[in-house]
Amino acid sequence: QVQLQESGPGLVKPSETLSLTCTVSGGSFGTDYWSWIRQTPGRRLEWIGHVSYSGSTNYNPSLKSRIAMSVDTSNNQFSLNLRSVTVADTAVYYCARFGHSGKQFYFDYWGQGMLVTVSS
Amino acid sequence: ETVLTQSPGTLSLSPGETAALSCRASQSVVSNYFAWYQQKPGQAPRLLIYGSSNRATGIPDRFIASGSGTNFTLTIGGLEPEDSALYYCQQSGSSLTFGGGTKVEVK
Repeated sequence: QVQLQESGPGLVKPSETLSLTCTVSGGSFGTDYWSWIRQTPGRRLEWIGHVSYSGSTNYNPSLKSRIAMSVDTSNNQFSLNLRSVTVADTAVYYCARFGHSGKQFYFDYWGQGMLVTVSS
Repeated sequence: ETVLTQSPGTLSLSPGETAALSCRASQSVVSNYFAWYQQKPGQAPRLLIYGSSNRATGIPDRFIASGSGTNFTLTIGGLEPEDSALYYCQQSGSSLTFGGGTKVEVK
C-alpha cells in the first residue's frame, strides 16, 4: 500500500517561497508521476504539477513561472517550491501519485493534505 | 486548457434514491484521461472511476460512470448516508483540470 505524507511550514509570509516535501512509502518510487495538487478555501481543486523519478517535470501553465519541483530518489521524496506567494496561494496542499493502468491515468494515492496559510 | 463544468452544484436526496451528476468539458476529452473522485470532510479525494467508466478497487457497483467527448455522467444508485460527499471530475487530456465539484447530501 503506497502512502504519502506532506511536510513543511504551515505559515508563509507574502512574497516569500512556499516549500513542501512529500515522503513516499510502501511502493516503488521509480514509476509513474508524483504530483502536487491544492484545494482552495472555496473547495476548488487545482493541479500544480508533476515530477517523475528521473526528474522530468510538467507544470500547470498558470503557475509555471513560480514553480520548481524536484525529486530525491535516495529518500523517496519529492518537493515543491512556489515563489512569490500571495494570500491567494493559501490552500490545503496535497501530494499524490499520478498512476496509470495501460493508457488510463488517474490520481490513485493521496497524502492527507497540509494547510498552508500565507499571511504576514 | 480544458474547462470542466459540473452540475448541479448541490444534490439533496433521500436514502435509496439515485443521484445523477454531470460533468461537461469545454473541448473533447479522450476517455482514457477522465476520472471521478469522492471527497468527504477532512479527507483527501479518493479515486472512484478512471478511464471514464472503470471503477477503482473497492468501489461498489452502485457507482456507475459513462460518457465520452464532452459529456460525462456519474450515477450513484441506492444512495446511502455514507455517500454524502463532494464529487469531482478530472481530465488530463489537455493540461490537467478538475471540475468545480458537486455536493451530494443524503439524509
